[in-house]
Amino acid sequence: NAGVTQTPKFQVLKTGQSMTLQCAQDMNHNSMYWYRQDPGMGLRLIYYSASEGTTDKGEVPNGYNVSRLNKREFSLRLESAAPSQTSVYFCASSIETAFGYGYTFGSGTRLTVV
Amino acid sequence: AQKVTQAQTEISVVEKEDVTLDCVYETRDTTYYLFWYKQPPSGELVFLIRRNSFDEQNEISGRYSWNFQKSTSSFNFTITASQVVDSAVYFCALSEARSGGSNYKLTFGKGTLLTVNP
Repeated sequence: NAGVTQTPKFQVLKTGQSMTLQCAQDMNHNSMYWYRQDPGMGLRLIYYSASEGTTDKGEVPNGYNVSRLNKREFSLRLESAAPSQTSVYFCASSIETAFGYGYTFGSGTRLTVV
Repeated sequence: AQKVTQAQTEISVVEKEDVTLDCVYETRDTTYYLFWYKQPPSGELVFLIRRNSFDEQNEISGRYSWNFQKSTSSFNFTITASQVVDSAVYFCALSEARSGGSNYKLTFGKGTLLTVNP
């Protein structure tokens, strides 16, 4: 099925461990995004990639790195996980159409750092 | 910088009541897009509507309607005759609209938790 695929869906990490969240889209979208969702805070942008080969910081980039591996894939890495990074992470992609921007979201990754 | 404010953190209604979710936005752009998303307890984000800044027509889709007023920078969402299945978190979001196929970051409000009681 076309869309945005995130892996894993759930993860528990110990403080200080590292991990990479994977995201892939098969809709030929140019732009991709990582958001985190915390209770009462809405979704906040961590990093985004306007196109293959470019990445930029969003609102809350500290503690994260990203890689736009190719047009399809955009990964988010936590080098040394902290309890403050416990959150639900959403990957999204977008494309400009004649009718405006269309965004597609993945189903989310629930990360717990203990 | 763009900003979206959803002042209502939580709303609780009884089934069949009408309910309006408020959204106020700030942007310096003259061209932008506004969105509403629904997040049910299962957690996924469900797209409800997109509206561009040049189209102030209100929209109705079944029990859902949206009122866009540029003069007050508001894009409110009304559910008529609410149902238990409408219980969810609802997010309003804003993106700038720049041509060229580049990104347009979506800025979200903090969301409104709607609980519809039987």
